[in-house]
Amino acid sequence: DAGVIQSPRHEVTEMGQEVTLRCKPISGHNSLFWYRQTMMRGLELLIYFNNNVPIDDSGMPEDRFSAKMPNASFSTLKIQPSEPRDSAVYFCASSLVRASAGGGTDTQYFGPGTRLTVL
Amino acid sequence: GEDVEQSLFLSVREGDSSVINCTYTDSSSTYLYWYKQEPGAGLQLLTYIFSNMDMKQDQRLTVLLNKKDKHLSLRIADTQTGDSAIYFCAESQRNSGYALNFGKGTSLLVTP
Repeated sequence: DAGVIQSPRHEVTEMGQEVTLRCKPISGHNSLFWYRQTMMRGLELLIYFNNNVPIDDSGMPEDRFSAKMPNASFSTLKIQPSEPRDSAVYFCASSLVRASAGGGTDTQYFGPGTRLTVL
Repeated sequence: GEDVEQSLFLSVREGDSSVINCTYTDSSSTYLYWYKQEPGAGLQLLTYIFSNMDMKQDQRLTVLLNKKDKHLSLRIADTQTGDSAIYFCAESQRNSGYALNFGKGTSLLVTP
């Protein structure tokens, strides 16, 4: 398996521009997570999906951020308009969460991240 | 989310053991993890432990969990220079879809 795939790996843009980050989770996984990493705040959960449905978006900073998962093999995180304080590394991760009575989850696998710089 | 705390830095000599500590506050934590991040790279899962376990060993790695004190540690035996990286402690629980709640990371420096 190719693992979690993210694109682009690096993005440099100017303030006010729209930015779209892409993620392809591991085939067969039913949960997808978007995290952001900055020096000041560390790793923060932005949003997660289960079976393509957004479950918790309370970590999304503001209305400029939106995320979609149109199918089980693709998700996007969009920032419009972008601001310099959005500069960070954005990680996508996926896992298989079992819906059985015992529940539980397999481990989360991370993509390589997208390093975003907003000038 | 609830707090996950780690010390920021640790320096050890090559060949010695490293012990990285972590404390968490949420008693509902179901799984506890250790991730490794090398400079400019993504997150690599090292190991994880269920909250009903108190120890897990995997080659050079030993994880100890004290659920009463909400304390987790990672011991790396025979530490090598290639182990220099940032180590993140994280917890997850079912009622948040097993989303990871991370500590700020411990930067491990291994000197020859």
